[in-house]
Amino acid sequence: DIQMTQSPSTLSASVGDRVTITCRASQSISSWLAWYQQKPGKAPKLLIYKASSLESGVPSRFSGSGSGTEFTLTISSLQPDDFATYYCQQYNSYTWTFGQGTKVEIK
Amino acid sequence: EVQLVESGGGLVQPGGSLRLSCAASGFTFSSYSMNWVRQAPGKGLEWVSYISSSSSTIYYADSVKGRFTISRDNAKNSLYLQMNSLRDEDTAVYYCARDLVFRVGYNYWGQGTLVTVSS
Repeated sequence: DIQMTQSPSTLSASVGDRVTITCRASQSISSWLAWYQQKPGKAPKLLIYKASSLESGVPSRFSGSGSGTEFTLTISSLQPDDFATYYCQQYNSYTWTFGQGTKVEIK
Repeated sequence: EVQLVESGGGLVQPGGSLRLSCAASGFTFSSYSMNWVRQAPGKGLEWVSYISSSSSTIYYADSVKGRFTISRDNAKNSLYLQMNSLRDEDTAVYYCARDLVFRVGYNYWGQGTLVTVSS
């Protein structure tokens, strides 16, 4: 099974900071990677699909890049609403796997 | 407006069974594949199962294979998860989620229903 490793596990940042979260796959997954944002007590929200496509309605400060085994989610200028936990999700061979999550905290 | 509403969660003893439902509205349910995803208390997300729009293709995570059964009734706009032989480690909030397109991600989620397996 493919393992997804997200880093860092926790990130402390200030409003206006540029933030980058990395997700590494244990083997190539082409571009079958999505990113989600989850706030406490709420369902996840899709931000990015197919590694770099921005979901409709998601602010343009969110962007995704990468292919193969290494992927990044970038928030160009962190806003108060962005403090949350972020998960990557991969698809390969009829299974989907999430990363362990990255919590973005207020510095 | 797309809505997914889960129900059927609750407290069940180890070895017991539970059936979750997800009522869909605001879109053509029969055109979309669906999924169940769970989240143990304080933990990350875990994909559980997938079903195609016509029910012709079904996949399960290894952790639930042989114990859980996913199904759908397109006439009733409903998704189901039959959970048997429940274990402590199945305790989680269970979400139903709609595919954006197969493989690429889930663009609509329900609010979740809590399943607690405990004696």
